[in-house]
Amino acid sequence: DTAVSQTPKYLVTQMGNDKSIKCEQNLGHDTMYWYKQDSKKFLKIMFSYNNKELIINETVPNRFSPKSPDKAHLNLHINSLELGDSAVYFCASSQDTRVETQYFGPGTRLLVL
Amino acid sequence: QKEVEQDPGPLSVPEGAIVSLNCTYSNSAFQYFMWYRQYSRKGPELLMYTYSSGNKEDGRFTAQVDKSSKYISLFIRDSQPSDSATYLCAMSGNRGSTLGRLYFGRGTQLTVWP
Repeated sequence: DTAVSQTPKYLVTQMGNDKSIKCEQNLGHDTMYWYKQDSKKFLKIMFSYNNKELIINETVPNRFSPKSPDKAHLNLHINSLELGDSAVYFCASSQDTRVETQYFGPGTRLLVL
Repeated sequence: QKEVEQDPGPLSVPEGAIVSLNCTYSNSAFQYFMWYRQYSRKGPELLMYTYSSGNKEDGRFTAQVDKSSKYISLFIRDSQPSDSATYLCAMSGNRGSTLGRLYFGRGTQLTVWP
């Protein structure tokens, strides 16, 4: 039983394209997150949603738009992809804002050519 | 200056060695301190969680937090090849911009050779 799942696992695309990454959690958590991990392994938060409401919105380009259709799902849509968007994107979930309960998904490896 | 500093290594030790991993931080609002282990091409998994200062032990792993020095450590005793991974420290607080989010160190890559 996968707690936090992401699709796709790998994404290779051309500059300028639009792509989406999907995340689902079956832990019954009510807070979900998107993190970006760069080539040097630095992991930084991008967004978080609590009960479908955006609560953290870091300084990311507005080409990135998260959407939470329900508590168990958080998707990330990226418009006009750029080379610098190449990274691993991790979804995570937690119970409320209790970060010590945060579980991470397996990651989506995005390569922009 | 990043909020959380961590030496990226790499660190290479023989099996059975004691490993010491460390992070320093600058934000005194941090109250929750975590260590994550990340295997290659996998997501981070929580290893240890400590609230405020003190020590916590779990099997071969010991986490220490010294808030006065803004310094945290993870010790691995009797290290095994299966411990080879990247270890990330992470921190959070209970007020302002530290609430509800994790601030990560860059991770230390550890290899334990047989």
